[in-house]
Amino acid sequence: SQTIHQWPATLVQPVGSPLSLECTVEGTSNPNLYWYRQAAGRGLQLLFYSVGIGQISSEVPQNLSASRPQDRQFILSSKKLLLSDSGFYLCAWGQAIPYNSPLHFGNGTRLTVT
Amino acid sequence: AQKVTQAQTEISVVEKEDVTLDCVYETRDTTYYLFWYKQPPSGELVFLIRRNSFDEQNEISGRYSWNFQKSTSSFNFTITASQVVDSAVYFCALRPITDYGQNFVFGPGTRLSVLP
Repeated sequence: SQTIHQWPATLVQPVGSPLSLECTVEGTSNPNLYWYRQAAGRGLQLLFYSVGIGQISSEVPQNLSASRPQDRQFILSSKKLLLSDSGFYLCAWGQAIPYNSPLHFGNGTRLTVT
Repeated sequence: AQKVTQAQTEISVVEKEDVTLDCVYETRDTTYYLFWYKQPPSGELVFLIRRNSFDEQNEISGRYSWNFQKSTSSFNFTITASQVVDSAVYFCALRPITDYGQNFVFGPGTRLSVLP
């Protein structure tokens, strides 16, 4: 069966510090991978998605970046965190086809920038 | 444009009441897919159900039922005899096949509180 791992679960970082969140998927190959952010009490904001190694699509211009160095690994990074980067970050994977395949989410990382 | 609207921001019910969560979507695609997710306080989004645009058959799973009406672009979710464990944020999502179905469009979510 497929599983998705996301870490760390919680993170407290000072403003201006770097960020690296990692997500890995097991049990499937060539998944579509996604990073979402959820501000407190708000909906899901798509940050990045990837349909293959090295292929990253950015949905929101900001100081975050994403990379996909391996087929089932997706990394969210920042060189310098802002207070506004605080939130709940969710990694998800899905199958390109069939189209009725749902997204499967990790447990999320709660990031607090102080 | 692709859009999902969940007009109910928050709903509170007393345990054992029935509750319906509304979802209205917009898409120009003739083929698309709809999903419901549950986000309990722990934070992880849990997939509940999917529906294809060409299948308007309603579905029941235990206390959960879904009503898909293509004519009104709605995909509503009903919980019968609600329980405290149903308290969560519920998201409706649309997956159009535009751009090879890469993107999922999520609604803003409805926070359901079931009071004992």
